[in-house]
Amino acid sequence: GIQVEQSPPDLILQEGANSTLRCNFSDSVNNLQWFHQNPWGQLINLFYIPSGTKQNGRLSATTVATERYSLLYISSSQTTDSGVYFCAVPTSGTYKYIFGTGTRLKVLA
Amino acid sequence: EPEVTQTPSHQVTQMGQEVILRCVPISNHLYFYWYRQILGQKVEFLVSFYNNEISEKSEIFDDQFSVERPDGSNFTLKIRSTKLEDSAMYFCASRVSGSQYFGPGTRLLVL
Repeated sequence: GIQVEQSPPDLILQEGANSTLRCNFSDSVNNLQWFHQNPWGQLINLFYIPSGTKQNGRLSATTVATERYSLLYISSSQTTDSGVYFCAVPTSGTYKYIFGTGTRLKVLA
Repeated sequence: EPEVTQTPSHQVTQMGQEVILRCVPISNHLYFYWYRQILGQKVEFLVSFYNNEISEKSEIFDDQFSVERPDGSNFTLKIRSTKLEDSAMYFCASRVSGSQYFGPGTRLLVL
């Protein structure tokens, strides 16, 4: 089945710094979602991005489907950005999601 | 914006007890899912449900698990006889097409 890997596994930043999180997937996909898991465990949808680039405030994402990767950019990071970031891709058929291994981000004040 | 809701937010139960986790998907959605996340690990697929039947299940979803959509709005996950290793966060998700919308999760602790 499809494999989804994320890097780096852990990231520590000072407030105000920028970062890039990467999601690699082993097979072609027709969708990809980025989530932020907050300290309460909730999965907050960030982007639904099968291809191209999207921006939402300080966050933006780019998916290059032909090369099987997606990038999440966080600019001017804030302490509230801390948490775990997951990407997820659907399988064919039932469209169940395969989640990546996650990047744990800690932003220091 | 419509959202998926889940109840309870937290549940503590004794090993061997039955638990029912409840979800209210977004009203016009047709496809429903349950996922599980053991503490510190990634989110794993449990089961998908469409047209009032299971469309796919993972190897985790054994005979102790069942799902139901009893009244056209709720979507439930039942664990018949809980084990310690069932302790996890359980997420419900729904979609009509495209992206999945996730509920806030139920944190289950089995003692």
